Amino acid sequence: DAGVTQSPTHLIKTRGQHVTLRCSPISGHKSVSWYQQVLGQGPQFIFQYYEKEERGRGNFPDRFSARQFPNYSSELNVNALLLGDSALYLCASSLTVRGDTGELFFGEGSRLTVL
Amino acid sequence: DAKTTQPNSMESNEEEPVHLPCNHSTISGTDYIHWYRQLPSQGPEYVIHGLTSNVNNRMASLAIAEDRKSSTLILHRATLRDAAVYYCILRDWAAGNKLTFGGGTRVLVKP
Repeated sequence: DAGVTQSPTHLIKTRGQHVTLRCSPISGHKSVSWYQQVLGQGPQFIFQYYEKEERGRGNFPDRFSARQFPNYSSELNVNALLLGDSALYLCASSLTVRGDTGELFFGEGSRLTVL
Repeated sequence: DAKTTQPNSMESNEEEPVHLPCNHSTISGTDYIHWYRQLPSQGPEYVIHGLTSNVNNRMASLAIAEDRKSSTLILHRATLRDAAVYYCILRDWAAGNKLTFGGGTRVLVKP
């Protein structure tokens, strides 16, 4: 079975541009969450979606937005890119949103470089 | 969010056990203790989780202190493939899929 797939794997943008990152969860998983990982640090939570509804948002500016589609895939959008947005963006899917069960399955990430 | 404290790095020899400590003195009664690891150039990978009792699975064992203020992840026989950053995370049962990662412990396995 395919794991969590993300695209693109690498991309380079310039300051002020917009970027869209895509994620396909494992088949049957209805929850998708997004994380940002700056080099040398642990991942930071950005968004969580479950059944196409936003269920949580981390401490990120409004330039970051996301949505989940009827097939449970998801997009993360970042507007007005800043140099500090350079990071690895990770998508994770899970069957449930309960913290007592349900491991998260992470994709390999999309590495964004902002010049 | 409750915080965890882990050593920055640890070294082990191949085929020897590795004990990774984690302190979480402010843990609440509804927090589960989760461990993930991240191999180089990959996304994090689930290892194990528990609430109060010790847990075992094919990857590792989790030993939880009686007062739950600390825990230890045990890799029974380290292999070169176990070289990774290991994250100890507290996850409230109702908090959904928001994981709060700290700096983790970088494990180096020597042949």
